[in-house]
Amino acid sequence: IAGITQAPTSQILAAGRRMTLRCTQDMRHNAMYWYRQDLGLGLRLIHYSNTAGTTGKGEVPDGYSVSRANTDDFPLTLASAVPSQTSVYFCASSDSAVSSYNEQFFGPGTRLTVL
Amino acid sequence: GQNIDQPTEMTATEGAIVQINCTYQTSGFNGLFWYQQHAGEAPTFLSYNVLDGLEEKGRFSSFLSRSKGYSYLLLKELQMKDSASYLCAVADSNYQLIWGAGTKLIIKP
Repeated sequence: IAGITQAPTSQILAAGRRMTLRCTQDMRHNAMYWYRQDLGLGLRLIHYSNTAGTTGKGEVPDGYSVSRANTDDFPLTLASAVPSQTSVYFCASSDSAVSSYNEQFFGPGTRLTVL
Repeated sequence: GQNIDQPTEMTATEGAIVQINCTYQTSGFNGLFWYQQHAGEAPTFLSYNVLDGLEEKGRFSSFLSRSKGYSYLLLKELQMKDSASYLCAVADSNYQLIWGAGTKLIIKP
């Protein structure tokens, strides 16, 4: 593994189904983030984790949950998917969440379609 | 509220120079980032400014004026591979990144 990986690459999901998007980083970064990207809109933060064992809500957290049991993994769960959650989801990580220079490294993304 | 504004789309010619502007209004300021995103790919880091002035990195330069809430990304000697979206993001008082919608740059031969 080099950097950040996400799985699956893409998924078509029936509305009402539960889905977990996986994210793993091998850079030993403290902070991790989940964003969604929709056409015409900027990246919007769903949830974040400043360090293992802690999580926080971003701009658009409703309908999503996360956990951070260890440094490397940060899964995003949709408990009951709805069509408005159709989007491209990016996981990102950074060395520190509380420094000015907070360069974020992104995974390749998961394209999710909810029908 | 927090707001990042940048043009939706720009067109330029191969070999030319283009300037992509970004204006921001955020609760606090802890630096401004520019990222490049090719279609269907993840964003990748280009530059970071936290003090006023120009930062140069090869063909790319980024400028910041904190008093004006303004930045620009300058791309010189444009190449076809520079066709991409360019995202402006500001770190707010909580160090969270607030993202603009991105500027799609089209390079014509």
